[in-house]
Amino acid sequence: AQSVTQPDIHITVSEGASLELRCNYSYGATPYLFWYVQSPGQGLQLLLKYFSGDTLVQGIKGFEAEFKRSQSSFNLRKPSVHWSDAAEYFCAVGVDSSYKLIFGSGTRLLVRP
Amino acid sequence: GAVVSQHPSRVICKSGTSVKIECRSLDFQATTMFWYRQFPKQSLMLMATSNEGSKATYEQGVEKDKFLINHASLTLSTLTVTSAHPEDSSFYICSARVRGLGEAFFGQGTRLTVV
Repeated sequence: AQSVTQPDIHITVSEGASLELRCNYSYGATPYLFWYVQSPGQGLQLLLKYFSGDTLVQGIKGFEAEFKRSQSSFNLRKPSVHWSDAAEYFCAVGVDSSYKLIFGSGTRLLVRP
Repeated sequence: GAVVSQHPSRVICKSGTSVKIECRSLDFQATTMFWYRQFPKQSLMLMATSNEGSKATYEQGVEKDKFLINHASLTLSTLTVTSAHPEDSSFYICSARVRGLGEAFFGQGTRLTVV
């Protein structure tokens, strides 16, 4: 069965420090992969997506993610975190052509001043 | 980007009553809409997929008679929680997909509290 694992429930980083959020997926075929961000009480905003091609994907707000098929991973990175990046981050895999999404459990990012 | 509007953003209802949540695609036609449920501090769980003009496809374990989904037009899908109980209290989020476009756009969510 398809699944997405985000092993870190909480991550705290200092403002200006680099960030990496981990995501591992289980899916038999080539996955469609997504990273979303959610502020408290809000919907989800798409940060970036991977369908095919270049395995390093650039997104909005300075985020990037790298698809590594051999590791079944799609980790999200940002070189310098801003206080406004504090939020919940979800990794998701699209399991068919309808783009039905299976979400990971989320990682809450806290940013120290 | 495309805008999906969800209404209401918050609703409180009495146990036993029904509540309708609307999900509208404002500037595009949504061939497919998805309804998710999110418990506090947890992830989103897909409840059902609806295609315009056809019956919704529910995920395993989701009661179709309790969570009625209607996708009557290409811009509107509704979720009705029937005979709501306190355990139905949750955050409900819809998303809408345009055919041929490689992503679905999310509404801002509806916080349902059943008292």
